[in-house]
Amino acid sequence: SQKIEQNSEALNIQEGKTATLTCNYTNYSPAYLQWYRQDPGRGPVFLLLIRENEKEKRKERLKVTFDTTLKQSLFHITASQPADSATYLCALHNAGNMLTFGGGTRLMVKP
Amino acid sequence: EPEVTQTPSHQVTQMGQEVILRCVPISNHLYFYWYRQILGQKVEFLVSFYNNEISEKSEIFDDQFSVERPDGSNFTLKIRSTKLEDSAMYFCASFEDSYTGELFFGEGSRLTVL
Repeated sequence: SQKIEQNSEALNIQEGKTATLTCNYTNYSPAYLQWYRQDPGRGPVFLLLIRENEKEKRKERLKVTFDTTLKQSLFHITASQPADSATYLCALHNAGNMLTFGGGTRLMVKP
Repeated sequence: EPEVTQTPSHQVTQMGQEVILRCVPISNHLYFYWYRQILGQKVEFLVSFYNNEISEKSEIFDDQFSVERPDGSNFTLKIRSTKLEDSAMYFCASFEDSYTGELFFGEGSRLTVL
């Protein structure tokens, strides 16, 4: 069966450090992978999209890598700030226009 | 900045009652979605809608659910006879085209079934 796995345990890091979140998937051949941020009680907000032929994508302090051989994406936030504290969701497009989300990883950045 | 708007923000209903959740997607978007999120759980796909018809639906989207785009702006999710387990946050989302793939979500409608 298809699975998208993210670490369900919260990630606690100190302000200024780099946060690295992992997304692993099985039985998918995604055309692209996306990362979203979700704050409590709010809708997900798009952050980055990376296509299957791209290895890395950057946007300001964010970096995403996509390894289709390992079936894994890593999401990095450099110089993290307390305002980065949120749940980060990995999402995959398979065939069609359906976007499927992983369970998310909660990030806590402590001052 | 354009946004997806949803109403109501919170609805409380009795089990067995019909509920309609409303969404106004971003105006030039072509694809529309409903997702739900039970408290503490992941965001789950319900249904996608394109060109005035359902394009995909999940196992959750059974005969109790229906979607409609009654006019050029609104997109609705109807639950015919609510159950306790329908209590969740329901998110509407839209996107422009398959090339960009970025989904824009509304702030959600919290449904509480008593």
